[in-house]
Amino acid sequence: DAGVTQSPTHLIKTRGQQVTLRCSPKSGHDTVSWYQQALGQGPQFIFQYYEEEERQRGNFPDRFSGHQFPNYSSELNVNALLLGDSALYLCASSLNLGAYNEQFFGPGTRLTVL
Amino acid sequence: SQQGEEDPQALSIQEGENATMNCSYKTSINNLQWYRQNSGRGLVHLILIRSNEREKHSGRLRVTLDTSKKSSSLLITASRAADTASYFCATALTYGGSQGNLIFGKGTKLSVKP
Repeated sequence: DAGVTQSPTHLIKTRGQQVTLRCSPKSGHDTVSWYQQALGQGPQFIFQYYEEEERQRGNFPDRFSGHQFPNYSSELNVNALLLGDSALYLCASSLNLGAYNEQFFGPGTRLTVL
Repeated sequence: SQQGEEDPQALSIQEGENATMNCSYKTSINNLQWYRQNSGRGLVHLILIRSNEREKHSGRLRVTLDTSKKSSSLLITASRAADTASYFCATALTYGGSQGNLIFGKGTKLSVKP
């Protein structure tokens, strides 16, 4: 049973560019959440997707957008990259009907903006 | 902003000793979860404790929750070098799939020396 997978593992971009990160949820999960983790900090919630719609959003600008596909996989897009966007981006999947929202995390994508 | 705050920020112990990490939070919660992160990679779910529970065990892990003090503790008994990692507490505010996000603290960096 495959867990949460993310691609790519590492990514280097320059300021102003756009990036797309991908996530495949754990088998049987229908909800995907994205988190940003800066160095030395805890993860911060970006947004959550369920039924192909953004259900909740954290305190992130509109440059951060996402998408969920019918197979429950998801993408995170970041436009007009800033140096401060350099971070580990984590995807987590869960089951919407799960009572206590136990989230399973992928290995993350390390984004470096130069 | 982050709701949880772990204490201490860093902890160094010898193999075989017990490690205790504390987490404080600000608002009422539905549940509290502890995660482990090795070397800035993905988060591994350790244990979930519900707001109506006071103590929970899983192998060498013991978690307590005091909702009146808005605090939790994670005890790792008979620590091993492989327990070296960062440990995060995360709070979930509401029930079920609609709760969306987890709110993480900044973590405790545990180092277990052989």
